[in-house]
Amino acid sequence: GAVVSQHPSRVICKSGTSVKIECRSLDFQATTMFWYRQFPKQSLMLMATSNEGSKATYEQGVEKDKFLINHASLTLSTLTVTSAHPEDSSFYICSAATPGPSSSPLHFGNGTRLTVT
Amino acid sequence: AQSVTQLGSHVSVSEGALVLLRCNYSSSVPPYLFWYVQYPNQGLQLLLKYTSAATLVKGINGFEAEFKKSETSFHLTKPSAHMSDAAEYFCALRGNQGGKLIFGQGTELSVKP
Repeated sequence: GAVVSQHPSRVICKSGTSVKIECRSLDFQATTMFWYRQFPKQSLMLMATSNEGSKATYEQGVEKDKFLINHASLTLSTLTVTSAHPEDSSFYICSAATPGPSSSPLHFGNGTRLTVT
Repeated sequence: AQSVTQLGSHVSVSEGALVLLRCNYSSSVPPYLFWYVQYPNQGLQLLLKYTSAATLVKGINGFEAEFKKSETSFHLTKPSAHMSDAAEYFCALRGNQGGKLIFGQGTELSVKP
C-alpha cells in the first residue's frame, strides 16, 4: 500500500517553456504533499508543502511564481515550472503523507528528471 | 530547531562485511526518525522507522537501526553487505510542525566484491 505515482519520469524542454509534473497518491488520500528538489550528489531540498484545497507553503528562497503548485484533490498535486531555464534542470521528487500522526512516514514518487536546453 | 547529521558522505565496505551508517539528530521533542534508501534516478524507499515503540527497529532487506536517546543517535546497520545494497541512504526526522521531513546530507554506500 501507500503508493505514490509521479509523472513524467523524465522530461526535456526548451528554455522559456513551462513543464507540469504530476504527483498522485494511488491508494490513499493525501491531505498533504511535499515537493523536493535534488541536485546531483546532494540531499533533498524541500521546496514547498501543499495542502488540498489551499495555497501551498513555500520554503524560503523558493520562487512561488516560478514553481506553481496546485493540490486540487486529495490524490493529486501538480508542480509547474514556468518559463524554465537551464538552471532549473534538476531532479524533482514529490512525497505524500498518509493521514495520521507525524510518526507516519512519507511516501515518495520515483522523481522527475527535468532537463532544460 | 530540529536537524539531522549523517557522518560520512561516503562509506565503502566489502561484500559480506558489516554495514554501519551513522546518523545523529537534534530535537527538543521526542523525534520520529526514518531511514530511506535511494537508488540512482529513483525516489526514496522507506527502510525503517522509529516511533518510540521499541528502540531497536528492524526494517526491510536485513537492515536495522537502534535509537539511543543518550547519544541522540539512530545508526543504521546490516550484518552482511550485499552488492545490491549499494545506494544512497538518508536519515530523516519528521518535524513536529507541518509534518515535513528533515533530511540528513545522505551517505553513499559502495559495496566491493
